[in-house]
Amino acid sequence: AQSVTQPDIHITVSEGASLELRCNYSYGATPYLFWYVQSPGQGLQLLLKYFSGDTLVQGIKGFEAEFKRSQSSFNLRKPSVHWSDAAEYFCAVGARNTGTASKLTFGTGTRLQVTL
Amino acid sequence: NAGVTQTPKFRILKIGQSMTLQCAQDMNHNYMYWYRQDPGMGLKLIYYSVGAGITDKGEVPNGYNVSRSTTEDFPLRLELAAPSQTSVYFCASSYSSVGDTEAFFGQGTRLTVV
Repeated sequence: AQSVTQPDIHITVSEGASLELRCNYSYGATPYLFWYVQSPGQGLQLLLKYFSGDTLVQGIKGFEAEFKRSQSSFNLRKPSVHWSDAAEYFCAVGARNTGTASKLTFGTGTRLQVTL
Repeated sequence: NAGVTQTPKFRILKIGQSMTLQCAQDMNHNYMYWYRQDPGMGLKLIYYSVGAGITDKGEVPNGYNVSRSTTEDFPLRLELAAPSQTSVYFCASSYSSVGDTEAFFGQGTRLTVV
């Protein structure tokens, strides 16, 4: 079964600083990988996804993530954080080609705080 | 375009009461899902549906029931509410299987059982 680990529960960065949120996954084959963001009181919104091809993927709001098969990682990055990026971020892995509805397995989330 | 709409947004239940959480989507998605979110635990899948009339259990189905009579609606029923069901509930939908494509989430229902 697949699993996702987000080792950082809470991260604080200054506005304008760079950001990297860590995500490690466990899956028997090449996974589908996702990053979702949850703003306070809101549902989850897709930031970006990796299915195949270029291992560096671009998402919305200036985020990017890099798939590293050798490290089983899919870390999220942003070169310059804005105060509006304060939210909770979830990494998720989807099963492929299961023959039935595949499912998302979520990590436990990383809460990002941005100081001004 | 409303997307995924959940009602109510907040609810307090007494132990043993029952209620239905409503979820509707207007994107003509076949796949719909119910998750619960507990602090520090991420999201856990309760039930899902791949189309009208077809539902199946997720990771944590005990204490819940679902039905899918139309493509648009996917209500979640809580029978005999227990404190362990205090959580935030999210409904989601997707065009195809959620592990393969983007899922669209509602804003959530915060449920407290006292």
